[in-house]
Amino acid sequence: EAGVTQFPSHSVIEKGQTVTLRCDPISGHDNLYWYRRVMGKEIKFLLHFVKESKQDESGMPNNRFLAERTGGTYSTLKVQPAELEDSGVYFCASSQDWSYNSPLHFGNGTRLTVT
Amino acid sequence: ELKVEQNPLFLSMQEGKNYTIYCNYSTTSDRLYWYRQDPGKSLESLFVLLSNGAVKQEGRLMASLDTKARLSTLHITAAVHDLSATYFCAVDQDTDKLIFGTGTRLQVFP
Repeated sequence: EAGVTQFPSHSVIEKGQTVTLRCDPISGHDNLYWYRRVMGKEIKFLLHFVKESKQDESGMPNNRFLAERTGGTYSTLKVQPAELEDSGVYFCASSQDWSYNSPLHFGNGTRLTVT
Repeated sequence: ELKVEQNPLFLSMQEGKNYTIYCNYSTTSDRLYWYRQDPGKSLESLFVLLSNGAVKQEGRLMASLDTKARLSTLHITAAVHDLSATYFCAVDQDTDKLIFGTGTRLQVFP
C-alpha cells in the first residue's frame, strides 16, 4: 500500500511569490488533513477535508492560504502571496475515518522556505 | 483552549541509560498519541492511549497515561542510537484535529 505522498519535498520561494503544495492521500481514505510546523514549534492543524468537502478549516492562518480537494482525491494547498512567516514544514495526513483505530498516516512533509 | 506541553525539548543521553519524556495537557482529552519523526520523514504512530492508567510498551519504549493528572509519559529503557529522533505527543477531544506538543528531540550517543 502506497503511503501519503507530498510534492515537492522542498520549496524555496521569494516573498510575494505563489507556491502550491500537493498531497496524495492513501487510496480510499476519505479524510485528509493539513498540518504545519513553523520554526521548530508545535505542529498545528490547518484544515480537514472529508472527501471533497472542507469539514474544518479553523486552523487556516489567513486568506492567503487556499486548500482544495477536487474530486475527493488529491489535495493542493496554495499560498499566495507568500510571506516570510509562512516558512515551515507542511504535513499532510489521511485516514479512513476519525476513530482511534483509524490512525492518521502522515506524509514526509514539504519544507517551505520563503526568503 | 486545549494546550499540550512537552518536556524536555531536547534530550541528549548516553546509550544504555533510561529517561522519561513528559507530556502535559490542559483540559480533558479522549485520546493521547505518541509519534516519532526521523529527520525529513513522516510522523510514525507509536502509541494510542485511550483510558486512565493505560500503559503500552513496544521494545524499549513504554507510554502511560494519567488522565486525572492530565499527564502522559514516554519512558525510554536502555537507550540505543536507533532511538534518536523527535518524539511528539498529541491529544484530541473527540474532534477532527490533533493538538501537538512542541516535540522532544532525542539524541542518543555512544
